[in-house]
Parts: sequence; C-alpha cells; structure tokens
Amino acid sequence: DAMVIQNPRYQVTQFGKPVTLSCSQTLNHNVMYWYQQKSSQAPKLLFHYYDKDFNNEADTPDNFQSRRPNTSFCFLDIRSPGLGDAAMYLCATSRTGRGGGQPQHFGDGTRLSIL
Amino acid sequence: AQRVTQPEKLLSVFKGAPVELKCNYSYSGSPELFWYVQYSRQRLQLLLRHISRESIKGFTADLNKGETSFHLKKPFAQEEDSAMYYCALLYGGATNKLIFGTGTLLAVQP
Repeated sequence: DAMVIQNPRYQVTQFGKPVTLSCSQTLNHNVMYWYQQKSSQAPKLLFHYYDKDFNNEADTPDNFQSRRPNTSFCFLDIRSPGLGDAAMYLCATSRTGRGGGQPQHFGDGTRLSIL
Repeated sequence: AQRVTQPEKLLSVFKGAPVELKCNYSYSGSPELFWYVQYSRQRLQLLLRHISRESIKGFTADLNKGETSFHLKKPFAQEEDSAMYYCALLYGGATNKLIFGTGTLLAVQP
C-alpha cells in the first residue's frame, strides 16, 4: 500500500545529543510536513517542504532543522534536544491540486524521549 | 490569524445516542475544513472534508459560514467510533497547511 512511513517508532536520546527522525513516502506527493504533538495537544506544524523549497513556521525554534534529499524522503534534525522537545513527531504528505485543498496523509509518528 | 476551537476535550455518550462534536473556526479567507480521526494506536487519518459533502462511517459535517462552525454529527453512535477527533482548517494556499483544533475524545459506552 502507498503510505507514509516513519522510523523509528520510538527514539530515546540524551539531553543535548543530536537526533534525526526519518520519514519516507510512496505516494509521490510533492509537499511534506513535520508536526510536533505534545501530550493532550493539537499537532503543531514545524515546517514543510514544497518540492525542494523549505518553509519554516515563524515560531519553530532554530534547534529544529529539516532535509529533503529527494521526493520520497524527509528528515527532521534536532541539533541539541532539550527536555521540552520530548513529544510525538508526525510526518505528513499532500499533493497540491486544483479545485480545493488536498488532504494530508500521516505517518504513525515517532515518539521522542529525552533522558 | 486563523484559529480552530474544539470546546470539548471529552464527549461521552451511550451506544445508539446521537453525537455532535463541535468545531468553530476563525479565518479571514474562504475556509476549507476537515475532520481527522485517530483511533487507539493508529495514525491520524482523514475522516471527511467539507467540500466533498459526503457521509463517512455515518458521520456528516456541514460548514456554516454564518456561525463559523463545522460540527461533526452522527445520529447513532457505535462503540467503534470511540477515538480522538480533530477539526482542521486549511490555510497557506497551494501548500495545504493545516491548523488543528485541540481535539475531542469521543467515548462511546456500551
């Protein structure tokens, strides 16, 4: 099945130790998104790629970076994780289209814990 | 600025009872709204979108621009409807960015 795959499902890292989360898609969608979701809160958009163009949300901390080496893959890098970065990280994709907004398709998420 | 409000964190109903999950939005443009659902231990998935005007799993939602609402309704709740429901507003033009409400946990009691 075409889908959005996130690896790993669970990630544990140490305070201040860089960590990378991975997302891949077989949908051939041109837009990819990263969200942060903390407990009992709504998913919050961090940034997205429109094709190769990176778009950061205004309130996304500099500690968060992203790479998209090709259409299928997108990575979330956290340079120096703090305790407040412990959360579920969701990757999503969508296809730009005519005639109204296209829905986003989500992966299972990666739950990040900071020791 | 755009905003989505879901006033209820938890809605508990009995099986067979009607369900209404409330969603209100604030947006200066022409709104496009979605309902997403997350069942236990599953990924967030699209339930329905207002432009499709469809019924999915017995759920419907009508956009009311006068009241800036997009409430989700089902006449007879089933136990398998128990899940977290998020209302989402599309903004950002062609990039299809979404802003989510804080979600409502629907618990259907037997």
